[in-house]
Amino acid sequence: GENVEQHPSTLSVQEGDSAVIKCTYSDSASNYFPWYKQELGKGPQLIIDIRSNVGEKKDQRIAVTLNKTAKHFSLHITETQPEDSAVYFCAASEDQAGTALIFGKGTTLSVSS
Amino acid sequence: SAVISQKPSRDICQRGTSLTIQCQVDSQVTMMFWYRQQPGQSLTLIATANQGSEATYESGFVIDKFPISRPNLTFSTLTVSNMSPEDSSIYLCSVEPLSGNTIYFGEGSWLTVV
Repeated sequence: GENVEQHPSTLSVQEGDSAVIKCTYSDSASNYFPWYKQELGKGPQLIIDIRSNVGEKKDQRIAVTLNKTAKHFSLHITETQPEDSAVYFCAASEDQAGTALIFGKGTTLSVSS
Repeated sequence: SAVISQKPSRDICQRGTSLTIQCQVDSQVTMMFWYRQQPGQSLTLIATANQGSEATYESGFVIDKFPISRPNLTFSTLTVSNMSPEDSSIYLCSVEPLSGNTIYFGEGSWLTVV
């Protein structure tokens, strides 16, 4: 089955800096890669996702890149703000209806002002 | 997207008792999943809730411990049976809307077993 590795486990940056979180996956059949943000006391919130027919996707300060050959994908947050502080999870699955997500272990991002 | 409501949002439970968590979605969805998130950990899939049939459980999770129902396309329940302190976790309902292959999560049910 699928296995998703996520690094780093913790990341501390200064406000305004960029943050990068990386994930690798094992199953070459996986072709859907979402990222979730989980704030304290809340459920995971989808912030961006990418499918295997695209190498990069951007939404304002957030971008995701995918390298299918190397089986890794990354989340990039630019101009970080204190409200970006949260736990971020990457996940992978086959892009078929009914396929559950397999999650990485999460990255705790702290943005200090 | 989909609006997902989970009840209860939090509970403190006595060891040996059972608790049923409800998940209600504001629109019909194709798939409903139940995840567990132990304190400070990632999300682990418990099972896929199948409409009108038995749930499909992941390795390490069994129906006797985590019975699941899904009577229609907008509602599911997860029961945590004969609870022990090790069951203290966040239990999360997630859904895949009819409109596409994107998965959304509820706010979770935070259970503490004492």
